[in-house]
Amino acid sequence: IAGITQAPTSQILAAGRRMTLRCTQDMRHNAMYWYRQDLGLGLRLIHYSNTAGTTGKGEVPDGYSVSRANTDDFPLTLASAVPSQTSVYFCASSDSVGVGYGYTFGSGTRLTVV
Amino acid sequence: SQQGEEDPQALSIQEGENATMNCSYKTSINNLQWYRQNSGRGLVHLILIRSNEREKHSGRLRVTLDTSKKSSSLLITASRAADTASYFCATEKAAGNKLTFGGGTRVLVKP
Repeated sequence: IAGITQAPTSQILAAGRRMTLRCTQDMRHNAMYWYRQDLGLGLRLIHYSNTAGTTGKGEVPDGYSVSRANTDDFPLTLASAVPSQTSVYFCASSDSVGVGYGYTFGSGTRLTVV
Repeated sequence: SQQGEEDPQALSIQEGENATMNCSYKTSINNLQWYRQNSGRGLVHLILIRSNEREKHSGRLRVTLDTSKKSSSLLITASRAADTASYFCATEKAAGNKLTFGGGTRVLVKP
């Protein structure tokens, strides 16, 4: 089934630990995105990638890093997790940039930092 | 910061009734999109309306856009229990910009 796969689905992580959230798409979409969803705050953009080999910062990039070595994969890394990074993380992709395409979302990773 | 603000925050209706929710935004946009999120799941794209369009339909969904008032509405006609979900508006300010989401409207359709 075409779409976005995120892993893990949930994780409890000790503060200070490093963690990578995985995201893979099989639609050959150029653009990919990472959002976090917090109650009452909607979704906020962390990082994005317009095409393989490029990345950019979103609204809340601090404490997170991304890479885009190929079209399909867009991992999000927390270098040293803090409790404020407790959230639900969504990866998304879109076919192109700048022409108003809808996003396809993964099912999310629920992360709790203790 | 949130570009879009949905109203109401929560809505409870009976099956068969219509559900209307509104989205207001602050700056000019290239397009506005509506998404649905079922509990514990990712967002699903419903409909996109461009800044030069005033109304679009998709099945039981009707979206309007008033750029002079910087607002949009989503109407779900003849609601079903399966329409129970949170609905989000998202705006693309300019071509190439990333989507900015509002806080969402939680809709409960009671059978």
